[in-house]
Amino acid sequence: GNSVTQMEGPVTLSEEAFLTINCTYTATGYPSLFWYVQYPGEGLQLLLKATKADDKGSNKGFEATYRKETTSFHLEKGSVQVSDSAVYFCALSDHAGGTSYGKLTFGQGTILTVHP
Amino acid sequence: NAGVTQTPKFRVLKTGQSMTLLCAQDMNHEYMYWYRQDPGMGLRLIHYSVGEGTTAKGEVPDGYNVSRLKKQNFLLGLESAAPSQTSVYFCASSSAGLYGYTFGSGTRLTVV
Repeated sequence: GNSVTQMEGPVTLSEEAFLTINCTYTATGYPSLFWYVQYPGEGLQLLLKATKADDKGSNKGFEATYRKETTSFHLEKGSVQVSDSAVYFCALSDHAGGTSYGKLTFGQGTILTVHP
Repeated sequence: NAGVTQTPKFRVLKTGQSMTLLCAQDMNHEYMYWYRQDPGMGLRLIHYSVGEGTTAKGEVPDGYNVSRLKKQNFLLGLESAAPSQTSVYFCASSSAGLYGYTFGSGTRLTVV
C-alpha cells in the first residue's frame, strides 16, 4: 500500500534560517505529491504540489521537487519567518481515475516553530 | 466565501451517545472525504464519496457511517460514541483528486 514518512519534529528555527523537512514515500502507482500546512486552530491548506517526476512545486517561498529515483519530496525554504510556524504535512495521491479516487495518504506531520 | 463548511466546530459527547457531523461544499466537487486527525498519526481516511448517492470505506471506518444524499453535503455519523473517537475531524472535497483538496476548518469532538 501507499505510505508517507516525514522527518520527526518538532523543528525549531530562528527567523531567516534555512528550512528542510524531509519526506519520502512508497506508492504502487505514479502518485501526485503535496505539501499541506495547518496553522493553529485551522484546517489544512494546500501549500504546493507536483504531479510528475522532476516537477518542482513552489509557493510563498517554499519549494519541493518530485524525485522519483529517491522517492522523495523534501520541503525547503531559504529564509523562514515567524509566520511560517505551523504543522506541515506531506501527502500523496494516486491518480484520480481507477479505484483510487484521489484519496490522500498523509505523513504524520512536522511541527515547525520559528523564533524571532 | 466558497469552500467547505463543517458544523459543529466543537462537541462533547458522553459514551454511547450519537451525533452527526455535517460537511457542506459549494464548489460543485464530485469527491468528498472524512478524515480524523490524532496527535503523531497525521490524518487517516474514515469514509469517502465519489458522487451523490455513493459512499465507500477508508482506512478507519469502524464506528462511523456516512451518507451523501446531495452532492454538496457529506454527513458523518457516530451511532454510539466511544472515547477512542475523541479526535479532530476534517472534511475535504476535490474536483478530481489529482490537484489536491479543499479542507474544512475541522470539528473537535471529545467523548467522555
